Amino acid sequence: DTGVSQNPRHKITKRGQNVTFRCDPISEHNRLYWYRQTLGQGPEFLTYFQNEAQLEKSRLLSDRFSAERPKGSFSTLEIQRTEQGDSAMYLCASSPGSSGNTIYFGEGSWLTVV
Amino acid sequence: KNEVEQSPQNLTAQEGEFITINCSYSVGISALHWLQQHPGGGIVSLFMLSSGKKKHGRLIATINIQEKHSSLHITASHPRDSAVYICAVERSDKLIFGTGTRLQVFP
Repeated sequence: DTGVSQNPRHKITKRGQNVTFRCDPISEHNRLYWYRQTLGQGPEFLTYFQNEAQLEKSRLLSDRFSAERPKGSFSTLEIQRTEQGDSAMYLCASSPGSSGNTIYFGEGSWLTVV
Repeated sequence: KNEVEQSPQNLTAQEGEFITINCSYSVGISALHWLQQHPGGGIVSLFMLSSGKKKHGRLIATINIQEKHSSLHITASHPRDSAVYICAVERSDKLIFGTGTRLQVFP
């Protein structure tokens, strides 16, 4: 069981640069979620996929954020023109299908924008 | 007002104590999850509940759908239980999280 894998685990970038995070879900999990967590807060929903289809995007997700899951397996989350307010941990999670299933989380990707 | 409220926000205990963390929510849900987060970020799913009660080792989770309330109990607490415990409700295929309860158990 390889679990949900995220990389890089840590990223420090200068304001204005683009960053990309990758998530490899548990094999054969149809659902893949991206959440963002800032210090002292619970995670907030960003977006999710059912296979390769992006079913919902949060209003939190500005135009600078884009997520893809091209073949229904791994996913990428790209942030363009990063801002200091983007500093957070970006969590990926996957589950076997629709609601009522256990959700498995990755270790998260920490982003610091300086 | 947050849709998911947890109490207490912080909790300290001596090893061996019985611990209760509470979660109240204000929206209709399809399931409720209790999660554990250790320093460094990783989140582990403890329970997924849609009714009644579940037990796993020293952990017990209950939910009252009518009262929109859930509790997580830890019996015979141990320093390794120190972590942040997060309640999350499942609604429209996504999770809405509480802000977590930081638990520290001292020897």
